[in-house]
Amino acid sequence: GNSVTQMEGPVTLSEEAFLTINCTYTATGYPSLFWYVQYPGEGLQLLLKATKADDKGSNKGFEATYRKETTSFHLEKGSVQVSDSAVYFCALLIQGAQKLVFGQGTRLTINP
Amino acid sequence: GAGVSQSPSNKVTEKGKDVELRCDPISGHTALYWYRQSLGQGLEFLIYFQGNSAPDKSGLPSDRFSAERTGGSVSTLTIQRTQQEDSAVYLCASSLYGLSSYNEQFFGPGTRLTVL
Repeated sequence: GNSVTQMEGPVTLSEEAFLTINCTYTATGYPSLFWYVQYPGEGLQLLLKATKADDKGSNKGFEATYRKETTSFHLEKGSVQVSDSAVYFCALLIQGAQKLVFGQGTRLTINP
Repeated sequence: GAGVSQSPSNKVTEKGKDVELRCDPISGHTALYWYRQSLGQGLEFLIYFQGNSAPDKSGLPSDRFSAERTGGSVSTLTIQRTQQEDSAVYLCASSLYGLSSYNEQFFGPGTRLTVL
């Protein structure tokens, strides 16, 4: 089956620290991979995506590289800000399917 | 422009009661999705509507759950005889066409359901 496993949270960092949130997946076929972010009191928003192996998605200083050999899509940011505090979800979409498969989410808190 | 809206934002109900959750998708979006976000769990797909096609109900957890979409726009998710394990945040999303890696899904803020 298709599944996504994320690094368990919560994760707490100081401002300007380096961030990595791990995400690995199991999929039949060749999925597209996504990171969504849920800020406090808001709906999920697409943060970045990658549609094929070795693609790098990037947005707002965040990056993730689609690694087929390790079935991973780890989220990274070089210097986090307090405003990055949110819940982050890794997800996959199998081509032709009509539903995202999400990981369990990782709560990130950045302290000033 | 307006995003996906959901109502109510919070709903507290007693075990055994029926509840209705509403979703207003972005105008013109043909596809509509319901997900459930339980505490400590990821988002779980429930149901998908696309235009006038029969909905994909494969994610509904039991026959107590049903959903309809009237006129290709507003959708209502109904949970009958609610149980405590139904407590979760119910998220609605819409997309212009069917979901693809190039066709983004936009999410509403969710309805937090608490079953006492």
